Amino acid sequence: KQEVTQIPAALSVPEGENLVLNCSFTDSAIYNLQWFRQDPGKGLTSLLLIQSSQREQTSGRLNASLDKSSGRSTLYIAASQPGDSATYLCAARTSGTYKYIFGTGTRLKVLA
Amino acid sequence: GAGVSQSPSNKVTEKGKDVELRCDPISGHTALYWYRQSLGQGLEFLIYFQGNSAPDKSGLPSDRFSAERTGGSVSTLTIQRTQQEDSAVYLCASSPSGPGTGGDYGYTFGSGTRLTVV
Repeated sequence: KQEVTQIPAALSVPEGENLVLNCSFTDSAIYNLQWFRQDPGKGLTSLLLIQSSQREQTSGRLNASLDKSSGRSTLYIAASQPGDSATYLCAARTSGTYKYIFGTGTRLKVLA
Repeated sequence: GAGVSQSPSNKVTEKGKDVELRCDPISGHTALYWYRQSLGQGLEFLIYFQGNSAPDKSGLPSDRFSAERTGGSVSTLTIQRTQQEDSAVYLCASSPSGPGTGGDYGYTFGSGTRLTVV
């Protein structure tokens, strides 16, 4: 059974700092992994989708990596800004299934 | 439409009443999912629709929950005889195609319906 864990649960950093959010999954036979952002009281916004054949994806200041053998994905945010403050969720889809299993998220606060 | 639309955005209901939550997916998206997000917890899968195939209802927590998707587009999630533990944000997502159909483009989520049972 796939389980997804995100550590830390919460993180505060000063503006301008580079930071890494971590996501671990127990079943390495994943089809793909997706990172989302959730603002308070809002739905989820997709940030990056990494297929199992890929090692990383980049979008602007965001870079997500995937290491299936170790069961880990990281989301790197460069030059953080107060507008990056949100909860970041990762979700893994195991091969042969169609459900995404979500972690409980990392609540990020970037201080001005 | 331009995105996934959910209504109402907020719903307060009395314990024991029935509620209907609506999801209007992106036009042309064949796959539709319902998830539930309870306070302080991750997203919990509820149900999956793919085209005209029978839905996967394995995530529905009890027989008080049901969902349908009419014409392969709009979906309605119905909760009968609501209980306080049903209070949560109900999120709908759609995708251009379901897994195993030749592609997987991830999810696009709606803004959710916040349900409060008092």
